[in-house]
Amino acid sequence: AQSVTQLGSHVSVSEGALVLLRCNYSSSVPPYLFWYVQYPNQGLQLLLKYTSAATLVKGINGFEAEFKKSETSFHLTKPSAHMSDAAEYFCAVSSRPGGTSYGKLTFGQGTILTVHP
Amino acid sequence: NAGVTQTPKFQVLKTGQSMTLQCAQDMNHNSMYWYRQDPGMGLRLIYYSASEGTTDKGEVPNGYNVSRLNKREFSLRLESAAPSQTSVYFCASSLTGTGGDTGELFFGEGSRLTVL
Repeated sequence: AQSVTQLGSHVSVSEGALVLLRCNYSSSVPPYLFWYVQYPNQGLQLLLKYTSAATLVKGINGFEAEFKKSETSFHLTKPSAHMSDAAEYFCAVSSRPGGTSYGKLTFGQGTILTVHP
Repeated sequence: NAGVTQTPKFQVLKTGQSMTLQCAQDMNHNSMYWYRQDPGMGLRLIYYSASEGTTDKGEVPNGYNVSRLNKREFSLRLESAAPSQTSVYFCASSLTGTGGDTGELFFGEGSRLTVL
């Protein structure tokens, strides 16, 4: 079975500061990994995904994430926070094509990001 | 582009009432999903349909039924609503099973259900 743990249900940063949202996964097979963002009263929007050999993945809105197999981590970062980044962020895992959980994403519990002026 | 459309967006039910949440996608995706979102618990998979004509249970299927009406539509039914089913429900779709896809899900805007 696969699982995802997001460390910190709430993260608060100042505008212009580094954003770091932590995600650790558990998977017995090479995973696909995703970060989604949810703005208030909206659905989830894909920020970025890890599906290939490139371990540093760049996404939309200046976010990036690095896949570290040795640490089973996929932390999300952004060098400089903007007020518009305030939202809830979800990390998710699935298996690759052919795996039993391929296409069925397992989500972490979410991290609410607050950005202060 | 409509993407994934869910109806209704809001619904209030009394305990024991039934209702159906409707979902349609216009992206010609093979797979469709129903998740529920509860505070501090992320999203949990209720049911999914890997392709037209098939449905399977997810992590939390009790109290729900689904129908994959055709390739576009996937409905979720609550036969006898309970307060524990108060939640935000999300429908999603993906291109799984086709060459080149990466398994990402495309979400609707959600249906907020309250059971009194």
